[in-house]
Amino acid sequence: NAGVMQNPRHLVRRRGQEARLRCSPMKGHSHVYWYRQLPEEGLKFMVYLQKENIIDESGMPKERFSAEFPKEGPSILRIQQVVRGDSAAYFCASSPVPQGQLFFGSGTQLSVL
Amino acid sequence: KQEVTQIPAALSVPEGENLVLNCSFTDSAIYNLQWFRQDPGKGLTSLLLIQSSQREQTSGRLNASLDKSSGRSTLYIAASQPGDSATYLCAVSTTGANSKLTFGKGITLSVRP
Repeated sequence: NAGVMQNPRHLVRRRGQEARLRCSPMKGHSHVYWYRQLPEEGLKFMVYLQKENIIDESGMPKERFSAEFPKEGPSILRIQQVVRGDSAAYFCASSPVPQGQLFFGSGTQLSVL
Repeated sequence: KQEVTQIPAALSVPEGENLVLNCSFTDSAIYNLQWFRQDPGKGLTSLLLIQSSQREQTSGRLNASLDKSSGRSTLYIAASQPGDSATYLCAVSTTGANSKLTFGKGITLSVRP
């Protein structure tokens, strides 16, 4: 049973471009969470999704950021018109049940030039 | 608003020493508490999960305790090894918070050979 898979591992974008981060949860897990880790800061919750539904997006910036978890395929975190302040490590985690143990992916390191 | 604090930010010990890592949280209405390990440039590995009704959990050389009333958890590492060098993160899931975790900033542990 493969772990949580995130790709790409590293993503470089210029200011104004779009960034798409992908996350495939563990097999059998229908709960997906996205977290962001800024330099010198702890991990911050962004969004919680179940298949085809956004359950809690209270940690996501109101503009430029969106997330989806379609019926088929990976969860996608999309950042439009990236700015330098978006540079961070973005982690995805999955769980088989609500408030269960979380299993994290290796993260995507986004660098905005 | 839940806040999680881990002090000190860094710790250096000689190999073989038993050590305790501390975590405190402000809202005692937690669902569970998890300890994670993060290696540089890598994702998070779940070490131990303690449900709110439990007092401790053990896995190998690791033992985590939970005192909800005082808002504290400790991670005890027995007979530390250089391979234990990593950042250790404490995270709590607050009741009714839709499974999202609130993380501390972590303790960076260095075990000297």
